Amino acid sequence: DQQVKQNSPSLSVQEGRISILNCDYTNSMFDYFLWYKKYPAEGPTFLISISSIKDKNEDGRFTVFLNKSAKHLSLHIVPSQPGDSAVYFCAASTNTNAGKSTFGDGTTLTVKP
Amino acid sequence: NAGVTQTPKFRVLKTGQSMTLLCAQDMNHEYMYWYRQDPGMGLRLIHYSVGEGTTAKGEVPDGYNVSRLKKQNFLLGLESAAPSQTSVYFCASSLPDVGDIQYFGAGTRLSVL
Repeated sequence: DQQVKQNSPSLSVQEGRISILNCDYTNSMFDYFLWYKKYPAEGPTFLISISSIKDKNEDGRFTVFLNKSAKHLSLHIVPSQPGDSAVYFCAASTNTNAGKSTFGDGTTLTVKP
Repeated sequence: NAGVTQTPKFRVLKTGQSMTLLCAQDMNHEYMYWYRQDPGMGLRLIHYSVGEGTTAKGEVPDGYNVSRLKKQNFLLGLESAAPSQTSVYFCASSLPDVGDIQYFGAGTRLSVL
C-alpha cells in the first residue's frame, strides 16, 4: 500500500501563473512533510517542509499547505518560472522512523515561457 | 564543500557480475541511505544506516548488501547482478532528527544486461 501518493504524474502551466502540486498520504503517524525538486541527471534537492503542527509554510515563491484532516498537502509556486520545470517529490516521515522518509512517485512540472 | 559524492556515475554490468557503489559525504551526517528510482516511480529505500558500523533493511533490500565501516562512507554491493536491478541509484545523508532534510548525491545509472 503506497502511503504517499502524488496522483498527477505531470502538470503544465504558463510562466507567471500558479503551479499547484498535490500529495495525499494515508499514515496518520506522519508528522513531517517535505518537498524535493529534481532536475534531470541530478539528485533531488530539498525545497520546503512543514511540520504537522502547522498548516502553512512559506518560503519566497513556494508555499506548502497541510490539511491534516484530509491527509493532504499541496505545494504552490507563484509565480511559476521556466526554471521551476523539474520533477517534484513529496515525502513524509515520523519521529519514530530513524529519519527515514517515504516518497511519492513525483510530479513532472513543465512551465512554458 | 562536496556534499554527497557517488561513484561511479554510470555502469553497465552483465547478469551475474558483482559491483560496489560508493557513497561519500563530508557533512558529518549520522544517517545515510541508499535508494533506487525506476522510471515513473519514486525513491524506494534499499538499505540505510543510522551510524558507523550499523545498517538496516529498507523497503527493497533483496539482492543488495551494504557496509558502513566509516562514518563518511556507505557502500552498496550487488553480489550477482540481475536485469531487474537496472535502475538509477541515489545515496543520501541526513542528521538524526525528525523530518531532517536529506542531501542526495547525483546518482549512479546502472544497466544490467
